[in-house]
Amino acid sequence: QVQLQESGPGLVNPSQTLSLTCTVSGGSISSNTYYWSWIRQPAGKGLEWIGRIYTSGRTNYSPSLNSRVTISVDTSKNQFSLKLTSVTAADTAVYYCARAQTPGKPFDSWGQGTLVTVSS
Amino acid sequence: DIQMTQSPSSLSASVGDSVTITCRASQSISRYLNWYQQKPGKAPNLLIYGASSLQSGVPSRFSGSGSGTDFTLTISSLQPEDFATYYCQQSDSVPLTFGPGTKVDIK
Repeated sequence: QVQLQESGPGLVNPSQTLSLTCTVSGGSISSNTYYWSWIRQPAGKGLEWIGRIYTSGRTNYSPSLNSRVTISVDTSKNQFSLKLTSVTAADTAVYYCARAQTPGKPFDSWGQGTLVTVSS
Repeated sequence: DIQMTQSPSSLSASVGDSVTITCRASQSISRYLNWYQQKPGKAPNLLIYGASSLQSGVPSRFSGSGSGTDFTLTISSLQPEDFATYYCQQSDSVPLTFGPGTKVDIK
């Protein structure tokens, strides 16, 4: 049973870069049948897909965040990461990492989520 | 982008009731529609994928139907553990998008 776990700072200063890592256990991130996503949820609001990465390195990003987002993968550590630059209070949210089995498939495994607050 | 809408935004129901939630896509997504349940402080949990396929381990009182632009999630005989927020999500094309959610609470 694969497990995903987010980690990273819980507090980020405005205009700085938010950096999070998702560690995958119980399965290899290198499997070509999966892609790996970041999703966020502001308090009391809905879910917003941020982007995804294949282990080949190919990425897709949400157009609304595209200019500020980078998702990368480190297969040697079985991890993938999110960087979001120039953050504002509007980026305060619970950030989830999640797995889907090929395009078209649902998110079948999720991390527990990590709260990131943007504040000075 | 494909916009997803859900109705109602919230509903109150009693244990044992049958509940139906509707999800609509702004363009055809074939059957690339998934349903998730989320409880407070928890990550979403996959219930239904491909519009009508029940995820392993999910009780059979959950069912989904639809194709194209209109979809439904039905919970027959609502149980206490079913009070939660439900989201639809399209996996047809990027950017992947979610509906705004439907909160099901106790009447």
